[in-house]
Amino acid sequence: DAGVTQSPTHLIKTRGQQVTLRCSPKSGHDTVSWYQQALGQGPQFIFQYYEEEERQRGNFPDRFSGHQFPNYSSELNVNALLLGDSALYLCASSSSRGGNEQFFGPGTRLTVL
Amino acid sequence: TQLLEQSPQFLSIQEGENLTVYCNSSSVFSSLQWYRQEPGEGPVLLVTVVTGGEVKKLKRLTFQFGDARKDSSLHITAAQPGDTGLYLCAGTYSSASKIIFGSGTRLSIRP
Repeated sequence: DAGVTQSPTHLIKTRGQQVTLRCSPKSGHDTVSWYQQALGQGPQFIFQYYEEEERQRGNFPDRFSGHQFPNYSSELNVNALLLGDSALYLCASSSSRGGNEQFFGPGTRLTVL
Repeated sequence: TQLLEQSPQFLSIQEGENLTVYCNSSSVFSSLQWYRQEPGEGPVLLVTVVTGGEVKKLKRLTFQFGDARKDSSLHITAAQPGDTGLYLCAGTYSSASKIIFGSGTRLSIRP
């Protein structure tokens, strides 16, 4: 049973560019949450997707957007990249049918130059 | 402003020693979790506590939820090098809500 997978593992972009990160949830999970983890910090909640809609959102600007597909996989898009967007981006999946325990993927390390 | 404050931020101790990590907040949470994160990996859930005063044990790790559900502690007995990692406490306000993480405690155990 594959856990949460994320791609790519590493990414280097320059300021002003756009980036798309991808996440496949654990089998049987229908809810995907995205977190940003800056170096030396705990993860910060970006948003959560359920039934292909954004259900909750953290304190992140509109440059951060997302999407969930019918197969429950999800994308995180960041426009007009800033140096401060450099971080580990974590995806977590959970099931709405019980527990709501979130399982995390290994993350995508984004570096903005 | 960090809703969950962890202390200490860094801890380096000798193998075999005991340690306690603290997680404090001014907010009341419906549940609180402890995660361990290793380099290049996402956080892995260790335990969830939901009842004020609750104590859970996981081998050499003991977790306690404060009576008012605002704070928690993690105690490790006879630390081993394999315990090295970033320990994160996190809280939720309801079963389906976002997870709010603390800033973490980076633990290093010297052989």
